Amino acid sequence: DAMVIQNPRYQVTQFGKPVTLSCSQTLNHNVMYWYQQKSSQAPKLLFHYYDKDFNNEADTPDNFQSRRPNTSFCFLDIRSPGLGDAAMYLCATAARGSDRLFNYEQYFGPGTRLTVT
Amino acid sequence: AQSVAQPEDQVNVAEGNPLTVKCTYSVSGNPYLFWYVQYPNRGLQFLLKYITGDNLVKGSYGFEAEFNKSQTSFHLKKPSALVSDSALYFCAVRGESGNTGKLIFGQGTTLQVKP
Repeated sequence: DAMVIQNPRYQVTQFGKPVTLSCSQTLNHNVMYWYQQKSSQAPKLLFHYYDKDFNNEADTPDNFQSRRPNTSFCFLDIRSPGLGDAAMYLCATAARGSDRLFNYEQYFGPGTRLTVT
Repeated sequence: AQSVAQPEDQVNVAEGNPLTVKCTYSVSGNPYLFWYVQYPNRGLQFLLKYITGDNLVKGSYGFEAEFNKSQTSFHLKKPSALVSDSALYFCAVRGESGNTGKLIFGQGTTLQVKP
């Protein structure tokens, strides 16, 4: 089945120690998103890629970076995790139609729960 | 500014009874509206969407939603609730003029279905 895969599902890191979360997809979608979700709150968009074009949300801290080496993979790098970065990180993908409208649903991965000690 | 409101933090329903999870929105232009469900420690699953056309949208797992433009609402409904429907539900909107595909989520509503 086509799907969005996130690894690892659970990640524990130390305060200030860089960490990378990964996302892969078999849907061949051209858009990939990274969300942060805390304590059953609404997911908060960090950034997204349309193909290789990177779009950062204005309030995403500089501590968060992303890479998309190819269509299938996308990485979230947290350069110096703080205690406040402990959260569920969700990757999602979507197709963008030839009409250039984003009216297609997003497909989410299972998430990576990050703990910062 | 675009926004979505889910006025109820939690909805409690007895199994077999109909359920409604409320959502209202505010956008400029025509709205693209979505419902997602999230089970504990899982990602969001798409349930249904309204883009255009029939105001009653049918989705996965027996859920449906009614788009009401005059009331700017998009309430999620199911005729007969199951215990397995217990989860966190998010309404989301994407403005027509958006060129990033960004979803604006409501704060979520926890649905509790009791046997």
